[in-house]
Amino acid sequence: EVQLLESGGGLVQPGGSLRLSCAASGFTFSSYAMSWVRQAPGKGLEWVSAISGSGGSTYYADSVKGRFTISRDNSKNTLYLQMNSLRAEDTAVYYCAKGIEYSSSRGGGYFDYWGQGTLVTVSS
Amino acid sequence: DIQMTQSPSSLSASVGDRVTITCQASQDISNYLNWYQQKPGKAPKLLIYDASNLETGVPSRFSGSGSGTDFTFTISSLQPEDIATYYCQQYDNLPQGFGPGTKVDIK
Repeated sequence: EVQLLESGGGLVQPGGSLRLSCAASGFTFSSYAMSWVRQAPGKGLEWVSAISGSGGSTYYADSVKGRFTISRDNSKNTLYLQMNSLRAEDTAVYYCAKGIEYSSSRGGGYFDYWGQGTLVTVSS
Repeated sequence: DIQMTQSPSSLSASVGDRVTITCQASQDISNYLNWYQQKPGKAPKLLIYDASNLETGVPSRFSGSGSGTDFTFTISSLQPEDIATYYCQQYDNLPQGFGPGTKVDIK
């Protein structure tokens, strides 16, 4: 059974940093691109970032480029999102999602599995 | 960036009704269009991929069609458990884009 379990969310002040993790199990982690998708309170879904199966290719939404860094440790079956210079508009539930492709050039394709999400609140 | 629009933004229908949601892309995305269902407080769930393919385990009352810029999502007979928000998503180009969502509830 595929499982994705996010952690690391919480309350952080504007300008602060946070690192999210997503522990994966139930599939060959290194064979699939992974993405982060976020959802601000009461709002729709926004794709944030994607990484290829090897970790060699990464892509970002313009809204987070230069502030967020996606990475993965295939030996630990874990996906990460390092978030720096956080802003109030980054407040959201962050989901990790498994793509159906190895490549991240299209964000990994569609997402057949999602984690339960972790809430990030940026506020003073 | 490719812009995705959905209509209606919300709808109310009776159990057993046929429900149709449309999604339009700002440029040709071939069939790289997916549909997700999201219930309150839950993660999205994939229902339809590549415009018309039913994800394994999803009831056959859900279907999708279309290509290019215009797509349709249909629930053939609305059930109480289908109360949710439905999103279309394109993955032809990065950044991937989601539609704004259609909230479906029971009349």
